[in-house]
Amino acid sequence: GDSVTQMEGPVTLSEEAFLTINCTYTATGYPSLFWYVQYPGEGLQLLLKATKADDKGSNKGFEATYRKETTSFHLEKGSVQVSDSAVYFCALANFGNEKLTFGTGTRLTIIP
Amino acid sequence: EAEVAQSPRYKITEKSQAVAFWCDPISGHATLYWYRQILGQGPELLVQFQDESVVDDSQLPKDRFSAERLKGVDSTLKIQPAELGDSAMYLCASSPSGDEQFFGPGTRLTVL
Repeated sequence: GDSVTQMEGPVTLSEEAFLTINCTYTATGYPSLFWYVQYPGEGLQLLLKATKADDKGSNKGFEATYRKETTSFHLEKGSVQVSDSAVYFCALANFGNEKLTFGTGTRLTIIP
Repeated sequence: EAEVAQSPRYKITEKSQAVAFWCDPISGHATLYWYRQILGQGPELLVQFQDESVVDDSQLPKDRFSAERLKGVDSTLKIQPAELGDSAMYLCASSPSGDEQFFGPGTRLTVL
């Protein structure tokens, strides 16, 4: 079955540091890939997505590139802020099946 | 901005009792999802509705869980009887079919 493996947390960084959260997947077919963010006390919000190989999703300074050859979708940000502190989930959905399969999440804490 | 509404936000119950959660999706969204998120893990799909019909309930423990969406709008998820292992966050999401899923704030259930 489909699965998503995420870099284990928690991750703690200083403000303005470079962020990478690794995500790899196993799926039949050709899935769409997503990063969701969950701020304390809130529901999940879509951060970015990519639907085909070599697509780059981007939003709020975050980026992730769909790498089919390495089955990866790593999340990056050049300079993190305290407000980026949250839990980040990598997820996939196969074409024709809208069901999302999530990774276990990575808790990110940014210290001033 | 339209949001997915869920209630209650928090629920504490004793094992063997019945509990129910309510979800009101964004107006016009035909697809509704219920996910369970155990602490430290990613959300897992319990049931997916397309209008009032169940599309996928393969991961729903049908001996104790039930879900309905009678008029194809709001939905109720019920657990009877609740067990200790049911303690989790229950998330509702909706989408205009085949597109981004919008999540509600969730209901945190604690079974004592």
